[in-house]
Amino acid sequence: ETGVTQTPRHLVMGMTNKKSLKCEQHLGHNAMYWYKQSAKKPLELMFVYNFKEQTENNSVPSRFSPECPNSSHLFLHLHTLQPEDSALYLCASSMPTGHSSTDTQYFGPGTRLTVL
Amino acid sequence: AQSVTQPDIHITVSEGASLELRCNYSYGATPYLFWYVQSPGQGLQLLLKYFSGDTLVQGIKGFEAEFKRSQSSFNLRKPSVHWSDAAEYFCAVVPYQGAQKLVFGQGTRLTINP
Repeated sequence: ETGVTQTPRHLVMGMTNKKSLKCEQHLGHNAMYWYKQSAKKPLELMFVYNFKEQTENNSVPSRFSPECPNSSHLFLHLHTLQPEDSALYLCASSMPTGHSSTDTQYFGPGTRLTVL
Repeated sequence: AQSVTQPDIHITVSEGASLELRCNYSYGATPYLFWYVQSPGQGLQLLLKYFSGDTLVQGIKGFEAEFKRSQSSFNLRKPSVHWSDAAEYFCAVVPYQGAQKLVFGQGTRLTINP
C-alpha cells in the first residue's frame, strides 16, 4: 500500500468522450506528478504540481488538462483523445524541500487507458 | 543527450541464481539514483536509492545496488532470485540537485525460470 491511489484503474473511451482520471495521496506530500507509460517507451513526465501550482508541463498536448485543487488531489481531464494516447497513466507524489535527497517520488498503481 | 540507459531489455534467470541488472547514466554531475520495480498491472515500487555516502546501497526484498562514478553506473544485484521477483525494473535519476524530474531508463523485464 503506497499511500497514492488512482481511480479508475481501467478506462475505455471513444475519441469524442470526455473523462477524468483521479489521483489522491495520503502521505502529506506537497508535490504531485503525472507520468505516461506507453509500450516500449520510457516513462514520460507530463506535469508537475507544487503546492497546487503547475511548475512543469512537458510539452503535453492540450487534450490533456490537469487540475490540482489541493496538495492531496490531482486530476487529469481528457478530451478528444487519439488511439496513440492509450497508455498507463501514473500519478506520483513527493515532499520537495529544495534538496533532491528527500525528493523520492512514490507512485500510484496507475490507470490503464484505452482509446478506441 | 543526457540519458539513462538500461542495456538489457529482457533477462531470464533461473530461480536461485544471482542477478545483475545494468544501468548507466550520462549526466555530468553525480545524479540522484533510484531503482523501481513494477509488477504486471501495478504501479512502481521503490527498491532503493542513492544520494551520497556509501556507494553500496541496500534496498528492500534483498536487493542492493552499487554506484560506480568511474563507470557512470548504478547496477542492481540480488544474490538469489525468487519466482516472485519476475517483474519490470526501472533505473531512474534526478539529474541535478533541486530537480523534480525523474528521468527513467527503458526498463528491463526479468523472467524467472523454475
